[in-house]
Amino acid sequence: SAVISQKPSRDICQRGTSLTIQCQVDSQVTMMFWYRQQPGQSLTLIATANQGSEATYESGFVIDKFPISRPNLTFSTLTVSNMSPEDSSIYLCSVEVLGAGDEQYFGPGTRLTVT
Amino acid sequence: RKEVEQDPGPFNVPEGATVAFNCTYSNSASQSFFWYRQDCRKEPKLLMSVYSSGNEDGRFTAQLNRASQYISLLIRDSKLSDSATYLCVVIPDSNYQLIWGAGTKLIIKP
Repeated sequence: SAVISQKPSRDICQRGTSLTIQCQVDSQVTMMFWYRQQPGQSLTLIATANQGSEATYESGFVIDKFPISRPNLTFSTLTVSNMSPEDSSIYLCSVEVLGAGDEQYFGPGTRLTVT
Repeated sequence: RKEVEQDPGPFNVPEGATVAFNCTYSNSASQSFFWYRQDCRKEPKLLMSVYSSGNEDGRFTAQLNRASQYISLLIRDSKLSDSATYLCVVIPDSNYQLIWGAGTKLIIKP
């Protein structure tokens, strides 16, 4: 497995501002992902964070709204831009660990509230 | 039809009982299957992978039925601490995108 940390753990932000969430892993991982989970819902994949290149976004998510960086194999950031109350959600970073097959492990999540 | 479907529950089960729930998937070519557990306000945590031959880990047994396209999770001698939402995950093909079920909420009562 892997130990994954996220910062901040929670934040309350005003409409129109942006928030950058950090994800740090204690070991080099092959794949890093960003998910969103709205209250009472299952997880929705936002994008795959690619090391050294642009992230791969899922349908309904665009780079201008959710810019992602992955400068190395252990770190990634997700920015939620120009926030609206609809962006209030939990944002989760997950990783696939080398040699662990398709299993994914999750960070503790960032609880975002937009007022 | 959704790609992955679960009964949302909640399943209210007395402590010590056996409980089972299923997860159906639509893509017959799906490759990998997992059960995750998510406690309230916490991140999902991998509970177990589901192998073609079945998988048992203590009180938990996971099985795959390819013919009927579902996976199951059986919990024996349920504990209060088993109360959580159980999420079914399917990888439909080699592109590694996980498809998540909406989860089944389990409540174990004393």
